[in-house]
Amino acid sequence: QKEVEQDPGPLSVPEGAIVSLNCTYSNSAFQYFMWYRQYSRKGPELLMYTYSSGNKEDGRFTAQVDKSSKYISLFIRDSQPSDSATYLCARGIKYNTDKLIFGTGTRLQVFP
Amino acid sequence: NAGVTQTPKFQVLKTGQSMTLQCAQDMNHEYMSWYRQDPGMGLRLIHYSVGAGITDQGEVPNGYNVSRSTTEDFPLRLLSAAPSQTSVYFCASSRTSGEEYEQYFGPGTRLTVT
Repeated sequence: QKEVEQDPGPLSVPEGAIVSLNCTYSNSAFQYFMWYRQYSRKGPELLMYTYSSGNKEDGRFTAQVDKSSKYISLFIRDSQPSDSATYLCARGIKYNTDKLIFGTGTRLQVFP
Repeated sequence: NAGVTQTPKFQVLKTGQSMTLQCAQDMNHEYMSWYRQDPGMGLRLIHYSVGAGITDQGEVPNGYNVSRSTTEDFPLRLLSAAPSQTSVYFCASSRTSGEEYEQYFGPGTRLTVT
């Protein structure tokens, strides 16, 4: 079993839809959970990070961690065509956050 | 403020050649790291550094060397290129302060080994 599992998609939704992107992880020692957005042929961009459990909101984006079920989610409200990208989840250990383990990414397409 | 810069953007090598991928950041970040990205594999950590003079191995270090003589620069050396090293390479730098975290990736180097 991979340490971080992510459905590769593609996920295709109409503009304005609520998007739910999900990852599962297998090692409960990890504390930091990150979401990245990667446009085609560009470097990843850190969107959101959460420490331990709970929710974090930033504009149209909400990151959620459920440590009991080892499940992390990214919700995008009022999705826009400019949200079309690959979304990567990752997890890390506190104070050693550059030893990140990434999921394989979910490709999202938002059509007008 | 240029963020994280990587050179070259593209490179083609023959098997057995060596080269250095350059990475520089101007944000005074203590952490820097190198990842490779392959289709269906996600990003995998090659080497990372927690400060000048300190480096450590990541998930896939074989065939690569790093050094960190300054805070700003973190070059990645391919010792003897192999076709399996064909990939997109990303450098990242980051900083933590308590529970705050800041991280930036470079634009990547696309490497083909024939």
